[in-house]
Amino acid sequence: DSGVTQTPKHLITATGQRVTLRCSPRSGDLSVYWYQQSLDQGLQFLIQYYNGEERAKGNILERFSAQQFPDLHSELNLSSLELGDSALYFCASSVKGQLPNEQFFGPGTRLTVL
Amino acid sequence: AQSVTQLDSQVPVFEEAPVELRCNYSSSVSVYLFWYVQYPNQGLQLLLKYLSGSTLVESINGFEAEFNKSQTSFHLRKPSVHISDTAEYFCAVSDTGLPQGGSEKLVFGKGTKLTVNP
Repeated sequence: DSGVTQTPKHLITATGQRVTLRCSPRSGDLSVYWYQQSLDQGLQFLIQYYNGEERAKGNILERFSAQQFPDLHSELNLSSLELGDSALYFCASSVKGQLPNEQFFGPGTRLTVL
Repeated sequence: AQSVTQLDSQVPVFEEAPVELRCNYSSSVSVYLFWYVQYPNQGLQLLLKYLSGSTLVESINGFEAEFNKSQTSFHLRKPSVHISDTAEYFCAVSDTGLPQGGSEKLVFGKGTKLTVNP
């Protein structure tokens, strides 16, 4: 158990819908990262937050957004869903300010868009 | 920009045989190197990491990886595999986070599925 929790574990929805994925980082970790794992693209970095502020952006679509709340949990919002958004979404956390940065991954949320 | 190439998408081996999973990376800055393992229907677990110092790093379950700067490689090896090693293995890099303001995002390879057969 990495200490990172993600809910829900599975999510099935229809095209055009909007969903929210939730992540709670390890106690004390200030950074949260979101990754998407799909069969065609592999594991891709989406976005990073550090202590409530956006830190870095990767290949995140404009239909996707994220935020980190004062209690450090994070949510990834996916809207206008398309079939191609079906994937496993991982959250990871780390302690920023200490080098090296070791990321601990949650179990993931499997999103299926029908 | 950084990139990671895992040369083999699938590696089948017999139990107790040695295995090598290959990883090459490309980066214009100093990097940290990682191997993560993903067991079926689970998240990613850190297997081992190269940060600095000795170029040979080892995990608690018998895996080792060697950082070769001249060849920009970080191959993963195990002298004798077990059925329980069946999983997907991901090589990843991150920059060192310096200078201040850099991102520590991980850039992953496509993964290598290791299947250990009896």
